[in-house]
Amino acid sequence: GQQLNQSPQSMFIQEGEDVSMNCTSSSIFNTWLWYKQEPGEGPVLLIALYKAGELTSNGRLTAQFGITRKDSFLNISASIPSDVGIYFCAGQNIANSGYALNFGKGTSLLVTP
Amino acid sequence: EAGVAQSPRYKIIEKRQSVAFWCNPISGHATLYWYQQILGQGPKLLIQFQNNGVVDDSQLPKDRFSAERLKGVDSTLKIQPAKLEDSAVYLCASGGGVQTQYFGPGTRLLVL
Repeated sequence: GQQLNQSPQSMFIQEGEDVSMNCTSSSIFNTWLWYKQEPGEGPVLLIALYKAGELTSNGRLTAQFGITRKDSFLNISASIPSDVGIYFCAGQNIANSGYALNFGKGTSLLVTP
Repeated sequence: EAGVAQSPRYKIIEKRQSVAFWCNPISGHATLYWYQQILGQGPKLLIQFQNNGVVDDSQLPKDRFSAERLKGVDSTLKIQPAKLEDSAVYLCASGGGVQTQYFGPGTRLLVL
């Protein structure tokens, strides 16, 4: 599968701060997805992006599909302790590799009260 | 709507033993995926089914891994014989549309 570079690898922030993380690829994708995974659970879909340049929000979360189709970012505003978890980006290119998702290695987020 | 169900949640076996995992996708979802997630990594696709047919199994180690979805609903993934490096979380996901995938809680496998 295609290599996705996700950064930062980890973040340790205080409650109330904003968070930004991003994902880059050497190949283009048609779809970008952002997932959150908590300990002992499977990834939970947060935001799905289907078009280059698209900006989508889900509550305090905002994600954008990069115009080059090779990157995406996720912002979390006014973080709270329950935002703790590992955030994964995933890209999909149906023409090249079908519906398979290519995942980054994740950004681990810790939020202190 | 019920989510993706997986069992068992945890399994500990010795190397060279066999193990099987079960997945029941979201009702009506035609596409089913098995992913392997090694500690500290993102999930990696092992196999994809569309109804009861295999769409992509290019990353499945076929000498020891097998999977089936006989009736196009639930699926089993088997490892025989297991190796130490198979220790991982095995995630099942299903999709109704062409793009989004919804994951189950996973089966945590430890091979000793």
